[in-house]
Amino acid sequence: EVQLVESGGGLAQPGGSLRLSCAASGFTFSKTWMTWIRQAPGKGLEWVATLSQDGSNEYLVDSVKGRFTITRDNAKSSLYLQMDSLRVDDTAVYYCAGGQGALWGQGTQVIVSS
Amino acid sequence: DVVMTQSPLSLPVTLGQPASISCRSSQSLLHGDGNTFLNWFQQRPGQSPRRLIYKVSNRESGVPDRFSGSGSGTDFTLKISRVEAEDVGVYYCMQGTHWPWTFGQGTNVDIK
Repeated sequence: EVQLVESGGGLAQPGGSLRLSCAASGFTFSKTWMTWIRQAPGKGLEWVATLSQDGSNEYLVDSVKGRFTITRDNAKSSLYLQMDSLRVDDTAVYYCAGGQGALWGQGTQVIVSS
Repeated sequence: DVVMTQSPLSLPVTLGQPASISCRSSQSLLHGDGNTFLNWFQQRPGQSPRRLIYKVSNRESGVPDRFSGSGSGTDFTLKISRVEAEDVGVYYCMQGTHWPWTFGQGTNVDIK
């Protein structure tokens, strides 16, 4: 079964850090660009970051540049999002997605609050 | 950044009747490789989004054929030929031609 499963969300204080993980199965992960997309409470979808198959090309939305890092481990079929210097407006459900959204995980909730 | 503008933002529909959602981009979505990376997503209440259409008009596997996508350049449309109850949700267009990728605001489809 083709599947993406996110984990690592939770409550963090402003200025704090979280590391999200996404475990992939059922498809050739190492040949797939991977993406993080978020959705703030009651809001629409926002693209956050995309990483090429071998990790050599990284793209980030301006609002997270310098704070978030997207990485992957093809041997583990896993995608990561290291989130540092978290802000209240980073509060959202974070989805892992394949490519341009061909496949989505169930999402992991991130709440940034003091 | 490319701005994606959807209309309408709210679409009450009658079961069995057609529905149409427009998505306009602030610049052409034609990529240098000849593709147009315009996607349509459906998000049912309480669920993760699901891609319906990619590259303007290509239906994902398992998507009913009552969904169709069309358009070119800066003007795109998602059509539902006959709305069913399971089609209730929010629909988003997204462009993947230019960085950063950007979404439309979403169109909320519900039953009259």
